[in-house]
Amino acid sequence: TQLLEQSPQFLSIQEGENLTVYCNSSSVFSSLQWYRQEPGEGPVLLVTVVTGGEVKKLKRLTFQFGDARKDSSLHITAAQTGDTGLYLCAGGARDSNYQLIWGAGTKLIIKP
Amino acid sequence: NAGVTQTPKFRVLKTGQSMTLLCAQDMNHEYMYWYRQDPGMGLRLIHYSVGEGTTAKGEVPDGYNVSRLKKQNFLLGLESAAPSQTSVYFCASSYHTLNEQFFGPGTRLTVL
Repeated sequence: TQLLEQSPQFLSIQEGENLTVYCNSSSVFSSLQWYRQEPGEGPVLLVTVVTGGEVKKLKRLTFQFGDARKDSSLHITAAQTGDTGLYLCAGGARDSNYQLIWGAGTKLIIKP
Repeated sequence: NAGVTQTPKFRVLKTGQSMTLLCAQDMNHEYMYWYRQDPGMGLRLIHYSVGEGTTAKGEVPDGYNVSRLKKQNFLLGLESAAPSQTSVYFCASSYHTLNEQFFGPGTRLTVL
């Protein structure tokens, strides 16, 4: 069974601080997606990474795909209250019949 | 474009009752998915469809049935609801496997 482990499960920090959340697996993924989910809504895609070592930036958010394509990280610089939400990573691979495997999520709260 | 819509938004059932959740998408996507989301467990795939008239089992299919009679609609049925099926159900669609998934707003189901 493939697993995507996200850490930390919960993070509460002050506005302006930096943070990193991690998504790790023992499996190799063809691609990995990061979504953000706000309360009462469905997840919304932030970014997709497909190449080992790839780095993508989305304003204050930096996403990195591990060289071996087994792990990924999301770094937020100078967090804002609008960053509050549940961050989910999801990966797809041949072993999962190319269906997405989802991590359990990191619940992020940014305090003003 | 409405994107992905789900009905109903909330429902309370008694053990043993049946119901159908309706998902509709207007993006002409081939792939559609039903997930359940429980606290601390992320999204778990119940069933999915790779095109009109096709369905396949996901990670947690027991107790659920699905149908995809029209490309734009994907129905999830509970024949005899159990308290273990209390959850938030999300429908999603995508152009192809491993592409961005677009989610509906979710249905919160409570089984007493």
